[in-house]
Amino acid sequence: GAGVSQSPSNKVTEKGKDVELRCDPISGHTALYWYRQSLGQGLEFLIYFQGNSAPDKSGLPSDRFSAERTGGSVSTLTIQRTQQEDSAVYLCASSLELAGGETQYFGPGTRLLVL
Amino acid sequence: AQSVTQPDIHITVSEGASLELRCNYSYGATPYLFWYVQSPGQGLQLLLKYFSGDTLVQGIKGFEAEFKRSQSSFNLRKPSVHWSDAAEYFCAVIHTGTASKLTFGTGTRLQVTL
Repeated sequence: GAGVSQSPSNKVTEKGKDVELRCDPISGHTALYWYRQSLGQGLEFLIYFQGNSAPDKSGLPSDRFSAERTGGSVSTLTIQRTQQEDSAVYLCASSLELAGGETQYFGPGTRLLVL
Repeated sequence: AQSVTQPDIHITVSEGASLELRCNYSYGATPYLFWYVQSPGQGLQLLLKYFSGDTLVQGIKGFEAEFKRSQSSFNLRKPSVHWSDAAEYFCAVIHTGTASKLTFGTGTRLQVTL
């Protein structure tokens, strides 16, 4: 079947604007993750959804970042009042979260540039 | 806090030569260990993973890795590198018994010369 898809693939925005990034996980995967890849910080965890449990938001860098997952499938990461330091590639991954440590399958990412 | 160290930022090898990419982790217990590869403009692809059992694990594309508890290492190896292996390689860990968030090393960029 199809892998993890993300949209848009590229996004250019002006400082102060809000952006929404979308992730479609692999069908049937109960766990969904957002990561950020930037030159200064490398690959870092942002947020994790598992089934109907409360999400693990421990990696979100500020309250300008939020994410939701509707119907246990599609997820949207929202960045409000974007700053230049938000420029990065945002990666989404999904997995079958059974016993923990399941393989995470990554999407191609959304490259965000904040001018 | 656990961390993952990839001491080599950039490695260049000749096609056909052997390859070893280093990875060390700091964590009290044995974590779940992973190697991912990222080709230019691509997402991350899992090469192999270690949870328990046999300390030598085989992965895709001819890669293998060996878990050494005494050295807290999980080095990635390939006997003969192909030009298509040029990419960035990330070692990652997951705390056992906690949420499955990956902690990544800083990556090693592999260049292959013909």
